[in-house]
Amino acid sequence: GNSVTQMEGPVTLSEEAFLTINCTYTATGYPSLFWYVQYPGEGLQLLLKATKADDKGSNKGFEATYRKETTSFHLEKGSVQVSDSAVYFCALSDPYNAGNMLTFGGGTRLMVKP
Amino acid sequence: DVKVTQSSRYLVKRTGEKVFLECVQDMDHENMFWYRQDPGLGLRLIYFSYDVKMKEKGDIPEGYSVSREKKERFSLILESASTNQTSMYLCASSFETGQPQHFGDGTRLSIL
Repeated sequence: GNSVTQMEGPVTLSEEAFLTINCTYTATGYPSLFWYVQYPGEGLQLLLKATKADDKGSNKGFEATYRKETTSFHLEKGSVQVSDSAVYFCALSDPYNAGNMLTFGGGTRLMVKP
Repeated sequence: DVKVTQSSRYLVKRTGEKVFLECVQDMDHENMFWYRQDPGLGLRLIYFSYDVKMKEKGDIPEGYSVSREKKERFSLILESASTNQTSMYLCASSFETGQPQHFGDGTRLSIL
């Protein structure tokens, strides 16, 4: 079956530090990949996506590249801000699954200190 | 922008009550989903629906049912609420396979 593995948190960084959150996946087909962000007390928001190998998704200074050879979709940001403190979820959508179900990773909490 | 609206942000109910959580989306999406989110357990899919009056069990359907009488509305029903159903409930919708799901703000449900 499909699975998504994320690095466990919390990840604690100082403001302006470089961020990497690792995500690897297992899927039977050629999935679409997503990063979602959840701020305290809120639902999940789509942060970025990539639908095929070598695609790079980007938004709000965050980037992730779909690497089929390493089955990875690591999230990066060059300079984090306190406002980036949130929980980040990696997810995949397998085109062979009916109903467009997502498989989520366990989430990684990011804490950015001033 | 897609809007997924959950009827309540916070809800407190008593054990044994029948509880309805409502979700409405405004983008004519085919697929709708109900998840619960618990610390240390991540997001778990309860039920989903890919068309009106159609429903499929997710990973943890026990103790829940759903209703989708109209395309834009997907209701989660706790037939007889229990304390172990205290959780954050998230509704989502999506258009087609490969497209992202869009989430509501969540309902934090407490069963006393």
